[in-house]
Amino acid sequence: GQQLNQSPQSMFIQEGEDVSMNCTSSSIFNTWLWYKQDPGEGPVLLIALYKAGELTSNGRLTAQFGTTRKDSFLNISASIPSDVGIYFCAGRLIQGAQKLVFGQGTRLTINP
Amino acid sequence: GAVVSQHPSRVICKSGTSVKIECRSLDFQATTMFWYRQFPKQSLMLMATSNEGSKATYEQGVEKDKFLINHASLTLSTLTVTSAHPEDSSFYICSASAPGGYTFGSGTRLTVV
Repeated sequence: GQQLNQSPQSMFIQEGEDVSMNCTSSSIFNTWLWYKQDPGEGPVLLIALYKAGELTSNGRLTAQFGTTRKDSFLNISASIPSDVGIYFCAGRLIQGAQKLVFGQGTRLTINP
Repeated sequence: GAVVSQHPSRVICKSGTSVKIECRSLDFQATTMFWYRQFPKQSLMLMATSNEGSKATYEQGVEKDKFLINHASLTLSTLTVTSAHPEDSSFYICSASAPGGYTFGSGTRLTVV
């Protein structure tokens, strides 16, 4: 099936550092979504992107919808301990197709 | 914002019994809901798409007779794991297409003993 390649799989950083993760695919997407999942919880939407080239911020988070429609990145600036968790990208392949394809996730660990 | 409520959050059942998980959209109508399964340290795997008033669409490899989905109203979808076995133990998460994006429930940890 369709897959999103998300990298890195894990990150170990110091508090205050910036974080960058991305997702790529060989397929074209019309929607990119970034989620954060805490242990034992469902994913929580961070940022939604609907147009190629779109750059959107949510506090210290910034995400972009790649111009080729095949990739997206998420940046977190000045990381804090509560940023710890697993981040997933998700994409909707074609307009009208409702199901999402998920990346493999990026596990973020922060050393205080 | 759009909220999806999922219950129960945890359930332990004996092998051979059935378990029902509920997913409700609290402040919007969800004509389509999605059911995912997630194994430890892995991503979400879509099991099926639940459509209000019609049969669910299952992903390849998912047994429709084992994972029964009912979406009888615009605010409720249920997943029933029938004749559960230990290998069905997993984290099950529902989602709905809501204004502003896809909203997820808080998940159900199923343990079959």
